[in-house]
Amino acid sequence: DAGITQSPRYKITETGRQVTLMCHQTWSHSYMFWYRQDLGHGLRLIYYSAAADITDKGEVPDGYVVSRSKTENFPLTLESATRSQTSVYFCASRGTSGYNEQFFGPGTRLTVL
Amino acid sequence: KNEVEQSPQNLTAQEGEFITINCSYSVGISALHWLQQHPGGGIVSLFMLSSGKKKHGRLIATINIQEKHSSLHITASHPRDSAVYICAVDFSGSARQLTFGSGTQLTVLP
Repeated sequence: DAGITQSPRYKITETGRQVTLMCHQTWSHSYMFWYRQDLGHGLRLIYYSAAADITDKGEVPDGYVVSRSKTENFPLTLESATRSQTSVYFCASRGTSGYNEQFFGPGTRLTVL
Repeated sequence: KNEVEQSPQNLTAQEGEFITINCSYSVGISALHWLQQHPGGGIVSLFMLSSGKKKHGRLIATINIQEKHSSLHITASHPRDSAVYICAVDFSGSARQLTFGSGTQLTVLP
């Protein structure tokens, strides 16, 4: 299917466990982003990537790791999950040229117990 | 500092009313986006604009570059328009990153 997908859509984990959230896009967009959305904070950028093998920190990167070995995939890993990382996570992608919209994935609701 | 301010934070309207949501920003931009998020749902791009006005169905977005201000209008509002509306900005030189407003929670009552 064309578009941007995230998996899993829902995840419950325990404090201290490693969790990986997957993001896949089919447009070959150069830019990909990870956001978290929490009540009272709106959307906050965790990490972004301008191309394969190029990643950079956003506003709230602590406790997260990303990689981008292929253009279409941008996984986000919580190395040792904490309760404060309970949130809804959105992946997004965007092209580089011209007048490009940003497209969002459906979101992953993560609960850390 | 690059900032985006939205108002109001919450808005309740009766079905059929004309609705306006405002967005202002601090410095020069290359584009402004209006996004919609239904409860428990994903985020959808409604408009992307850098000047003038765009219309899609009952939704109209305008931007005044000189005043650093944009508005989203909904004509003949309907309960299905109930959602959070988010203004997001491409600040010039921002490497394709968006800066988001805090969102406006719109509730349209039947």
